[in-house]
Amino acid sequence: GQSLEQPSEVTAVEGAIVQINCTYQTSGFYGLSWYQQHDGGAPTFLSYNALDGLEETGRFSSFLSRSDSYGYLLLQELQMKDSASYFCAVSARNGAGSYQLTFGKGTKLSVIP
Amino acid sequence: GAVVSQHPSWVICKSGTSVKIECRSLDFQATTMFWYRQFPKQSLMLMATSNEGSKATYEQGVEKDKFLINHASLTLSTLTVTSAHPEDSSFYICSASGLRAEAFFGQGTRLTVV
Repeated sequence: GQSLEQPSEVTAVEGAIVQINCTYQTSGFYGLSWYQQHDGGAPTFLSYNALDGLEETGRFSSFLSRSDSYGYLLLQELQMKDSASYFCAVSARNGAGSYQLTFGKGTKLSVIP
Repeated sequence: GAVVSQHPSWVICKSGTSVKIECRSLDFQATTMFWYRQFPKQSLMLMATSNEGSKATYEQGVEKDKFLINHASLTLSTLTVTSAHPEDSSFYICSASGLRAEAFFGQGTRLTVV
């Protein structure tokens, strides 16, 4: 099976940088992805890593180390609108040969002035 | 990114009735779609994997006779909550996998059973 660990809550100041870590245990690992979810809304895709290293998309970057079963999401130049829950998820092949995601419990980020 | 459309976005129904939720992939063909349930302040829990042209695969603890899934075409999967009860009230979300195994979600359906 799969399991993921990420902090439950993080608070950071507007304009600062915050890093949300995610460690995982899984079989058949294919990739690690990150999603943002505002209260009352559906998750939206942020970033995906299948290989080791850093992926940068604007203010958001995601890192993966497969050997350490570890990744993080880095948010720079924090804005108030970044206050949301952030989920990491591992992709693995299921028995039917399609990709299946298992989500962490989410990190609630609060950005304060 | 891929576009997945889910309808309705919210529904209120009486206990004992059935509710159908539709999930459409608008700009790509999705042979596999996923249905999740999310309770307040909790993570997404996979309910079932919907496979086009075949039976859905349900996660342990999910009643297949209560949560009927139909994936009749490459662009449409439906989830029917049968004989709904107040404990079925939740946020239901569908997703489809992208080319790199990332997930694209529908808007979600907030179901309230009264």
